[in-house]
Amino acid sequence: EAQVTQNPRYLITVTGKKLTVTCSQNMNHEYMSWYRQDPGLGLRQIYYSMNVEVTDKGDVPEGYKVSRKEKRNFPLILESPSPNQTSLYFCASRRRGGNQPQHFGDGTRLSIL
Amino acid sequence: GEDVEQSLFLSVREGDSSVINCTYTDSSSTYLYWYKQEPGAGLQLLTYIFSNMDMKQDQRLTVLLNKKDKHLSLRIADTQTGDSAIYFCAESMSGGGNKLTFGTGTQLKVEL
Repeated sequence: EAQVTQNPRYLITVTGKKLTVTCSQNMNHEYMSWYRQDPGLGLRQIYYSMNVEVTDKGDVPEGYKVSRKEKRNFPLILESPSPNQTSLYFCASRRRGGNQPQHFGDGTRLSIL
Repeated sequence: GEDVEQSLFLSVREGDSSVINCTYTDSSSTYLYWYKQEPGAGLQLLTYIFSNMDMKQDQRLTVLLNKKDKHLSLRIADTQTGDSAIYFCAESMSGGGNKLTFGTGTQLKVEL
């Protein structure tokens, strides 16, 4: 089954404790992205990647890192999480090409205390 | 710059039509999308329209695009309780890599 898988789905942690949210897709998609969803703000792009070893900042990259060592994986790293990073996070992937739809994971709810 | 706006809430009766509206500011948008988000789930692509089209129909869904006014709408005919969800419009441009700019989302509530 074609899917985007995020782990964990839920995490409660404390300020300053490094964490990684994994994202994996099995569709051989070139493009992958991370978004955060906050009430009244919709989804905002954090980082995206157009291929292996190619990453770029989205609209709200501060406090986040990503890597793309393999085509299928695109982990999101919070080196020193802070409470303002409490949010719902979505990973997405799609094929290269103008009208290719984005496929979303089911989301990861992070709470930073 | 890019900005996509939607009203936050819409309530309709079952069986009526729903119309969800969206305005965007970037005239270089190439594709405009409608996504549906059910509680606890990710985003599901409903439909999309290319910027040189005025209308697209897909079963109960009709998308209208007024490029002059930068206005996009999604009409759901014969709205059902299962249509209750948050609906996001999003725009993408030919440049800027993979970026989708989303609206704030419209919460659709369908009442019996």
